[in-house]
Order: sequence, then structure tokens, then C-alpha cells
Amino acid sequence: AQKVTQAQTEISVVEKEDVTLDCVYETRDTTYYLFWYKQPPSGELVFLIRRNSFDEQNEISGRYSWNFQKSTSSFNFTITASQVVDSAVYFCALSEPYSGAGSYQLTFGKGTKLSVIP
Amino acid sequence: GAGVSQSPSNKVTEKGKDVELRCDPISGHTALYWYRQSLGQGLEFLIYFQGNSAPDKSGLPSDRFSAERTGGSVSTLTIQRTQQEDSAVYLCASSSAPRLTSGGFEQFFGPGTRLTVL
Repeated sequence: AQKVTQAQTEISVVEKEDVTLDCVYETRDTTYYLFWYKQPPSGELVFLIRRNSFDEQNEISGRYSWNFQKSTSSFNFTITASQVVDSAVYFCALSEPYSGAGSYQLTFGKGTKLSVIP
Repeated sequence: GAGVSQSPSNKVTEKGKDVELRCDPISGHTALYWYRQSLGQGLEFLIYFQGNSAPDKSGLPSDRFSAERTGGSVSTLTIQRTQQEDSAVYLCASSSAPRLTSGGFEQFFGPGTRLTVL
């Protein structure tokens, strides 16, 4: 089973629409970290947010917001009033530093390709 | 300041040849990671270095892959006897020393090296 599941492979929206990208994760650890990264067409991964498992407070940053729910093991990402510049592949990732070798490696989902149409 | 840099940006090689990929992390970052991104497998962790600790090599797919980090800074990923399935984008990331209770986890990625094995 995948540890990080992004069920939406591709999403297309018209500019100014809101869009939510889903992320479901699986871990046995009680302490873990979740991330979202953006990969625009240029290719470089850009860090967006990190969320600690012991902090369920949702976060808003401009047009971006994140909804973390431990009860459903989900960490969803919403873009409000989407813009063409939001077009990219978005990756959700999980870090479990207490597992295995104690590495802080990221386990990524397969990504969701978002296309915002003008 | 400067971000993570990688060289070369593109590498085309023939099957069976050895290749070396270089990563210069952000100055002051003690943690360094290698990942690879391919169409079939998505983003996969390869190896993790933290300070003078033994690296976590758990993600290396075969013994043809090795990496070293000299002087706690620059890292080189070496692939021996390359195979066509090694074709991928190899990404390097760095972060400040990870701390379990607070920040320092954000991994900043370089632009990657696109490896094509003919």
C-alpha cells in the first residue's frame, strides 16, 4: 500500500475557481511530518508547507490553505481563486523520523497535475 | 543566498558507462539527500547524509549506486555500469540539521540532473 496517496492524477480548473488537492497518508508513528511541494513546468521543487503531526491547527497563507485531519489521515491543500501561475504538479510528502534508520527522508505521493485555464 | 546547485544539468551516456552527478548544498546545511524522479516510479529517496553520521543508504536501488559527501558539503552520486532503467532526473536536496521537535526539516531542492542512458 502506498504511504502517501494522491488520488487525483490531473485536475483542470478555470481561472478564479477554487480547487482542493487531496492527500491521504499512512503511518504507524505518532510523530511524523507532512509536506506539500510545488513543481512548476521549470522542474524545480518548491517547498510550500510543513505540518507536524502534533499540531492540527489548519493554516492559511494568502490564497493557499491546508486542512490537516489526523482522524482521516488526510492533509488536503486548497487554492482559492486559482491563477494560471498555479499550474504545476503538486506533491504531498511524509517524513517519519522515528521509523527505521531515523532518517528524515521524504516519502512522496505520485503528485497531482493542476492546470489552470485562463 | 545561493540555493542548491547540481551539475551537470543534463547527461547523456551509453549503457554500461559510469556517471558522476554532483550536488552543492546550501551553505551551512548539514543534511543532504538524493532522490530520483522518473515517470514510472515518481519521486524516490536514494540516500541521506547528516553531518559525520553514517549515511542512510536504504533507498539505493542496487550496488551500482553509491554516493559520498566530502568535507560535509559537496556530494557526488555515482552510478556504475549504467542501465536504461537508470534514466531519470536525479534531485539533490539539503536542509539545516533536522530537529525532531521543531523546524529544520524543510528540504530545499536543486534543479536536478536529467540522466539519459542510451
